[in-house]
Amino acid sequence: GAGVSQSPSNKVTEKGKDVELRCDPISGHTALYWYRQSLGQGLEFLIYFQGNSAPDKSGLPSDRFSAERTGGSVSTLTIQRTQQEDSAVYLCASSYDRGNLPLHFGNGTRLTVT
Amino acid sequence: AQSVSQHNHHVILSEAASLELGCNYSYGGTVNLFWYVQYPGQHLQLLLKYFSGDPLVKGIKGFEAEFIKSKFSFNLRKPSVQWSDTAEYFCAVFSGSARQLTFGSGTQLTVLP
Repeated sequence: GAGVSQSPSNKVTEKGKDVELRCDPISGHTALYWYRQSLGQGLEFLIYFQGNSAPDKSGLPSDRFSAERTGGSVSTLTIQRTQQEDSAVYLCASSYDRGNLPLHFGNGTRLTVT
Repeated sequence: AQSVSQHNHHVILSEAASLELGCNYSYGGTVNLFWYVQYPGQHLQLLLKYFSGDPLVKGIKGFEAEFIKSKFSFNLRKPSVQWSDTAEYFCAVFSGSARQLTFGSGTQLTVLP
């Protein structure tokens, strides 16, 4: 079956522009996570959605970052007024529910801010 | 706050050598423990997991890990590595109180043919 799908796979943008990153989780998975992987760093938790509950936004690094999940399925991570330090691979993962780990990861979006 | 430490940033081994990658976590309560692997150009994949029961966990491709609660450790082992094991390995911990999956910084394993 289809795995977690992320688009675009690569995104190059100029500093100050806004970007949107998309994630299609595995069908039926109610839990969806966004992580950021920077060079030489581990995976940094950004935000978590579980069903219709309020998202856990505790990992978002600044108010330039926001995410939505429409209809309990597709999620969009938006970064406004991008900065060079936003350059990273943004990973989306899903699981059947929070208590039913492990996570299934997408291939990520490599964001480069010039 | 919950944290995960992987002390080896880059490990280089020859084929057939034995492997042990360290993972320590900070949380003292009930935890679920994972090792993920990321092969070059591929997405993160689950290698093995520990939820409860036997602290020695067998995973795919001959990997195993041992949960030692008293040491807050979950080290990854393989008796004889292969060139195809070249990848980045991430330890991860999930605790109910932290309510999120926390990853270590990763260990890059290079196996020389």
